[in-house]
Amino acid sequence: DTAVSQTPKYLVTQMGNDKSIKCEQNLGHDTMYWYKQDSKKFLKIMFSYNNKELIINETVPNRFSPKSPDKAHLNLHINSLELGDSAVYFCASSRTGGGAGELFFGEGSRLTVL
Amino acid sequence: DAKTTQPTSMDCAEGRAANLPCNHSTISGNEYVYWYRQIHSQGPQYIIHGLKNNETNEMASLIITEDRKSSTLILPHATLRDTAVYYCIVRGDDSWGKLQFGAGTQVVVTP
Repeated sequence: DTAVSQTPKYLVTQMGNDKSIKCEQNLGHDTMYWYKQDSKKFLKIMFSYNNKELIINETVPNRFSPKSPDKAHLNLHINSLELGDSAVYFCASSRTGGGAGELFFGEGSRLTVL
Repeated sequence: DAKTTQPTSMDCAEGRAANLPCNHSTISGNEYVYWYRQIHSQGPQYIIHGLKNNETNEMASLIITEDRKSSTLILPHATLRDTAVYYCIVRGDDSWGKLQFGAGTQVVVTP
């Protein structure tokens, strides 16, 4: 079983559309994250959730809205997509957010906005 | 979190040890040194982390200098599957999973 799974793996859409990326982890972790990797390959954190509570919102536009229905899921909804939203989005989870601990990443969802 | 400096790229022969340096001269007392890698088209993968002491696991060894201003990740017997971008990250224990990835070191293992 995949520890952190994301769907879809690829997403091609037009500017102005709304899309969602789903993430599920089966590791029993309390904390989940969304990271964005842009065309220059830099990875940056977007959001961090602990027990369904938003902990980190790293100056992400309001068009991005994470939703955590339960500890095992963290979905990312993006409204009014723009060309600059094209990137690979990675979901991750960890046993806890505070303290030392490793993050487990999904395989990524490549979003292309035309 | 402190910033890190890594070489842009390095090559390594298959079967040899790969030594990846990282400078983190502004690291503070409660910050850990983490190493992740990203194989092409995959998500980042945790390798190892440490605070002060040297650490070893099944993937690699981490050597941290006594002043903690630099560290070296050692892949003891590099294989072709170790070709990846390796990231050295300094992270505080109150960071809530906020990893600050830099450009990393592109490691190419050649036959």
